[in-house]
Amino acid sequence: GAVVSQHPSWVICKSGTSVKIECRSLDFQATTMFWYRQFPKQSLMLMATSNEGSKATYEQGVEKDKFLINHASLTLSTLTVTSAHPEDSSFYICSARSWRDSTDTQYFGPGTRLTVL
Amino acid sequence: EDQVTQSPEALRLQEGESSSLNCSYTVSGLRGLFWYRQDPGKGPEFLFTLYSAGEEKEKERLKATLTKKESFLHITAPKPEDSATYLCAVQAGDTGRRALTFGSGTRLQVQP
Repeated sequence: GAVVSQHPSWVICKSGTSVKIECRSLDFQATTMFWYRQFPKQSLMLMATSNEGSKATYEQGVEKDKFLINHASLTLSTLTVTSAHPEDSSFYICSARSWRDSTDTQYFGPGTRLTVL
Repeated sequence: EDQVTQSPEALRLQEGESSSLNCSYTVSGLRGLFWYRQDPGKGPEFLFTLYSAGEEKEKERLKATLTKKESFLHITAPKPEDSATYLCAVQAGDTGRRALTFGSGTRLQVQP
């Protein structure tokens, strides 16, 4: 149980194009999902908190117009990297918040490797 | 500001050689401390959640403990398949913030 999927698992795009990444909770509903970015040999850095039915909350320094987040349903959040540039190349990971057995836990997706040429 | 510091940064063990990983934290009212395992190129895999000092949880060769300032992940008789990066994260309680603050991780390598 508590499976989170991401699609695509990797993507290569040209500079200036936009890329959409999907995050789905497969066997539970998640009112809150989180988007993280991870650079090589570094830890996860929170980008934004995605709440179903409302606007996302972005961390300081993260451009909300560049990283568009839409949490359209209780099982799906999307991250769109607009006008991508090489410095946006990174490993993007989502997590979904789950309440099971009265515990509040976040389960992570497998990540999406974005390479911008 | 919530902070998580993990040590050592990297650890190399022989198969069967037990050891402990450390996670020191400062947080505005700890709501939960989480341990995850991350393999290269993959998302973190949930291991444990600890909520209060004195709590312990076990899973196979792993045992997590918690004090008011730090948590330890004990690995007993590790096997090569335990090689991974182990991440510690905290969730603050006082601020209502539900996102996790992660440490930089400990890269564990277990040699046969």
